[in-house]
Amino acid sequence: GQSLEQPSEVTAVEGAIVQINCTYQTSGFYGLSWYQQHDGGAPTFLSYNALDGLEETGRFSSFLSRSDSYGYLLLQELQMKDSASYFCASTDSWGKFQFGAGTQVVVTP
Amino acid sequence: DGGITQSPKYLFRKEGQNVTLSCEQNLNHDAMYWYRQDPGQGLRLIYYSQIVNDFQKGDIAEGYSVSREKKESFPLTVTSAQKNPTAFYLCASSPRLAGVAGGELFFGEGSRLTVL
Repeated sequence: GQSLEQPSEVTAVEGAIVQINCTYQTSGFYGLSWYQQHDGGAPTFLSYNALDGLEETGRFSSFLSRSDSYGYLLLQELQMKDSASYFCASTDSWGKFQFGAGTQVVVTP
Repeated sequence: DGGITQSPKYLFRKEGQNVTLSCEQNLNHDAMYWYRQDPGQGLRLIYYSQIVNDFQKGDIAEGYSVSREKKESFPLTVTSAQKNPTAFYLCASSPRLAGVAGGELFFGEGSRLTVL
């Protein structure tokens, strides 16, 4: 089957750096994307990796290692508004998106 | 403005009733998806469709049905066979080759279904 594993919760203070890891088992894996979801809202797209390496988008960066079936999302200069759930999602060659269970990020003053 | 519209936002239903959730997009996307989210959990794929008149079961299709008669529309019916339908339902769309096109899913605002 297909599955994605990520930690359930991470707590950090404002200004800190947080790394959320994601390991996946996906047949026909094509790429890994990351989404942010605030309570009661819809997920919003943050970043995507189809190739190995680091993608940087402002304070957020995402990394992929296809050989290790592993990726991470890096949140820098944490702000209170970054308190949310973060999901990794794999897409396969047929365009099917599968999501992990999500990581709750709690930012404290 | 381009986007995905889901309706209704909140829906209450009695046990044994079928309900249909609407999802319409004007992004000219070929692919559309339905996900279910339970409190504190991730998104689980119900059905997805890559082109008109074709759709595939996801991981939790039992008790649900869909149709894709038009590119813009992908309604989801929650049937009485779905044993625990109370959940937050999210519709999404993407270009057909999403992996090549940037890996982004575009989500609607969701429909919250409560079975009384």
